[in-house]
Amino acid sequence: AQSVAQPEDQVNVAEGNPLTVKCTYSVSGNPYLFWYVQYPNRGLQFLLKYITGDNLVKGSYGFEAEFNKSQTSFHLKKPSALVSDSALYFCALHNTDKLIFGTGTRLQVFP
Amino acid sequence: SAVISQKPSRDICQRGTSLTIQCQVDSQVTMMFWYRQQPGQSLTLIATANQGSEATYESGFVIDKFPISRPNLTFSTLTVSNMSPEDSSIYLCSVGQTHTEAFFGQGTRLTVV
Repeated sequence: AQSVAQPEDQVNVAEGNPLTVKCTYSVSGNPYLFWYVQYPNRGLQFLLKYITGDNLVKGSYGFEAEFNKSQTSFHLKKPSALVSDSALYFCALHNTDKLIFGTGTRLQVFP
Repeated sequence: SAVISQKPSRDICQRGTSLTIQCQVDSQVTMMFWYRQQPGQSLTLIATANQGSEATYESGFVIDKFPISRPNLTFSTLTVSNMSPEDSSIYLCSVGQTHTEAFFGQGTRLTVV
């Protein structure tokens, strides 16, 4: 079965420090992976995607993600966190025409 | 890209009543999706709205409870029928093509009292 897992409910990081939000997946065939961010009282915004090609994908707001096929992971990273990055982050897997979302990770960046 | 307008943005409704949520897209799209996000939880797909045919519902969701209309390629509605407090959630409209990024409306925050 196709699935996405985000093992951490919350990640806390100090402003200026690097951040990582973890995501692992299970899929038969090629994975099509996405990261979305949800700010309070807002819909989801697309951050980045992996379809094929380079394992390191760069996206919006300075975020990047590393696709690792052997570890079936697609962790979201940023070299230097901002307080404004505090939000809810969702990893998602594209399955036929549908998106399967992880449970979400709340990122809290404190000054 | 696509810009999605969803309304209402929030509502407080009495149990037993129904609420219709509208989703308008600024371009023609083949498929529109409706999601539910219960408090503190992830997004769950309710159904895929197809123009010119009945919506395709996911397991656990039925047409009588969540009737969907898709009269054209830029508009869809989701109705939450005979509401109970358990229906209190954020409902999100989305569009997207296979293997490309999806775009979401800002959501409708529904509280049933």
